[in-house]
Amino acid sequence: AQTVTQSQPEMSVQEAETVTLSCTYDTSESNYYLFWYKQPPSRQMILVIRQEAYKQQNATENRFSVNFQKAAKSFSLKISDSQLGDTAMYFCAFMNPRNSGNTPLVFGKGTRLSVIA
Amino acid sequence: GAVVSQHPSWVICKSGTSVKIECRSLDFQATTMFWYRQFPKQSLMLMATSNEGSKATYEQGVEKDKFLINHASLTLSTLTVTSAHPEDSSFYICSARIRAASYEQYFGPGTRLTVT
Repeated sequence: AQTVTQSQPEMSVQEAETVTLSCTYDTSESNYYLFWYKQPPSRQMILVIRQEAYKQQNATENRFSVNFQKAAKSFSLKISDSQLGDTAMYFCAFMNPRNSGNTPLVFGKGTRLSVIA
Repeated sequence: GAVVSQHPSWVICKSGTSVKIECRSLDFQATTMFWYRQFPKQSLMLMATSNEGSKATYEQGVEKDKFLINHASLTLSTLTVTSAHPEDSSFYICSARIRAASYEQYFGPGTRLTVT
């Protein structure tokens, strides 16, 4: 079974600074998807970024980028120019696309990020 | 973007009663919907996976007779907590996948259930 590990339960960063959230996963599959989700205090889950394992290029979305190291099974999230609105729980998630669209996401335990003014 | 709604957003019920939570995909058809439970400051715990027109697949340890899931159409899934007890109090979140080839999940805003 796949597992996702987020080793940092809590982190903080000064506004406008850069922070990196770590995520490692364990799988024997070669094709899979990785995600970062954000859950602000409202508790609405929001997709931040997605990475397909077969793509070597790291995904980026504005201030959010990932460092995907397939051999090391590492998928870290970098947030640049941190903003107060980035304060949230961040969940790393893994999905094996086998069995078509029925395969659920496997979530890590999350990292609580606080952006300090 | 794709929008998923949940109703109600917050519900209080007495012990022993049943409560139904609705999950709707507003602007797309969801081939698969997922139901999660989340305790404070914890991750999402998958309860079940449902496909339109077929029985839900429950995760190990989830009582299918207590948590009834119905996925009657491509835009609506419901979770009914039967004979609720205080330990069922939690935050319930539904999620929908647009189509089999898409691996992005869109989440509802969640429902806070309090059983007194």
